[in-house]
Amino acid sequence: GAVVSQHPSWVICKSGTSVKIECRSLDFQATTMFWYRQFPKQSLMLMATSNEGSKATYEQGVEKDKFLINHASLTLSTLTVTSAHPEDSSFYICSARDPQGQETQYFGPGTRLLVL
Amino acid sequence: GENVEQHPSTLSVQEGDSAVIKCTYSDSASNYFPWYKQELGKGPQLIIDIRSNVGEKKDQRIAVTLNKTAKHFSLHITETQPEDSAVYFCAATPGSGYSTLTFGKGTMLLVSP
Repeated sequence: GAVVSQHPSWVICKSGTSVKIECRSLDFQATTMFWYRQFPKQSLMLMATSNEGSKATYEQGVEKDKFLINHASLTLSTLTVTSAHPEDSSFYICSARDPQGQETQYFGPGTRLLVL
Repeated sequence: GENVEQHPSTLSVQEGDSAVIKCTYSDSASNYFPWYKQELGKGPQLIIDIRSNVGEKKDQRIAVTLNKTAKHFSLHITETQPEDSAVYFCAATPGSGYSTLTFGKGTMLLVSP
């Protein structure tokens, strides 16, 4: 149980294009999902908290218009990196909080983004 | 806000030895402390967690201890195996329903055969 999937697992795109990453909770409903960014050999940096049916809450320093988050259903949240640039290249990981597990977060496998 | 310190940053052990990773936290309101294992190129995997009403929790070769007075918690891995090699992250949260996890900076564990 508590499986979270992400798609795609990796993506290469040209500078200026937009990229959408999907995060799905496969066997539970998640009212809250989180999006993280991770640079090589560093810890996870929380970008935003995504709540089903409401606007995402972004962490300080994260551009809302740059990283669009939509949580349209209890099993799906999407992160769209708009007008991507090379500095957006990173490992993006989502997590979902299982309401049955209280504060427990289950992470997806991550999406490697490379912007050329 | 919460601040989590994790030590050591790297840890090398021989197969069969024990490994201990320690974390301290700053917010006395924190009451949930998970540990994650992250293998190269993968997402973090929850391996064990503990809540503030418990002092110790064990799952086979893995155990976590919590000292709320001192605000520190530790991960103990016994009889280490090469497949235990990974980066381990500790985290803490007040767990008020909408609170987020604050992560430590991670410990790279290398288990040599």
